[in-house]
Amino acid sequence: QQQVKQSPQSLIVQKGGISIINCAYENTAFDYFPWYQQFPGKGPALLIAIRPDVSEKKEGRFTISFNKSAKQFSLHIMDSQPGDSATYFCAANGQNFVFGPGTRLSVLP
Amino acid sequence: ETGVTQSPTHLIKTRGQQVTLRCSSQSGHNTVSWYQQALGQGPQFIFQYYREEENGRGNFPPRFSGLQFPNYSSELNVNALELDDSALYLCASSPGLAGVGREQYFGPGTRLTVT
Repeated sequence: QQQVKQSPQSLIVQKGGISIINCAYENTAFDYFPWYQQFPGKGPALLIAIRPDVSEKKEGRFTISFNKSAKQFSLHIMDSQPGDSATYFCAANGQNFVFGPGTRLSVLP
Repeated sequence: ETGVTQSPTHLIKTRGQQVTLRCSSQSGHNTVSWYQQALGQGPQFIFQYYREEENGRGNFPPRFSGLQFPNYSSELNVNALELDDSALYLCASSPGLAGVGREQYFGPGTRLTVT
C-alpha cells in the first residue's frame, strides 16, 4: 500500500514533442505529490508538485494532471527539448515520502 | 543562500566496517531526510530528523542511525557494512513538515561502494 507505481520505464521523444509519464498510488493518506528530475551523478531536483484538492497544475512547460478518484497522476512535458533528457521520479507524501522507480526520458534532437 | 551539501562525494569501504556521511541543510531548513538510492531505482526513505529528533523511519535495520545537530546539519551512520549497502546516499532538507514546508531539496549525494 506504500508503493508508487510509475510508467513507462523509459521513453524516447522527438524534440518538440510531448512527454507523458504516469504514476499510480494506493494509500489514500498521501496528500502531496511532487515530481523530481535527476541527471546522472546529481541529486534529484524538485520540478513541480500538486496537492489532491486541485486537478491540474502548470509551471512553464511542465504540467501535473491529478485524478483523485483513480489515484493516478501524470507529468506532461510540452515542447520537449534535448536538455530535458534525464530520469524523472514521481513521489507521494503522507507520513513519509515514497518514490516511484523512475522513467528515463531521452529527447532526440 | 547555499543549497544542500554532502560529504564526502565518494567513499569505498570494506564489508563489516562503519561509515559516517555528512549533510549540511539549506539555510532556514530545520528538517533533514536521508535516502538510499540503488542504481537504476528510486530513492528509498531511511529516516527523517526534525529539530534534532527522529521524526519517522523507513524499513531499514538499526545499524542505520543518524543525528541532527543544533545548526540542523546531519549525519548518517551505517555499522557492519554489507555489500548491498553500496548505493548513492541522498540527503534532503525542507523548511518544515507541513504545507509548502514539505518541499524537499536534495544534495548531490555520497556514492558508497562496499567491497
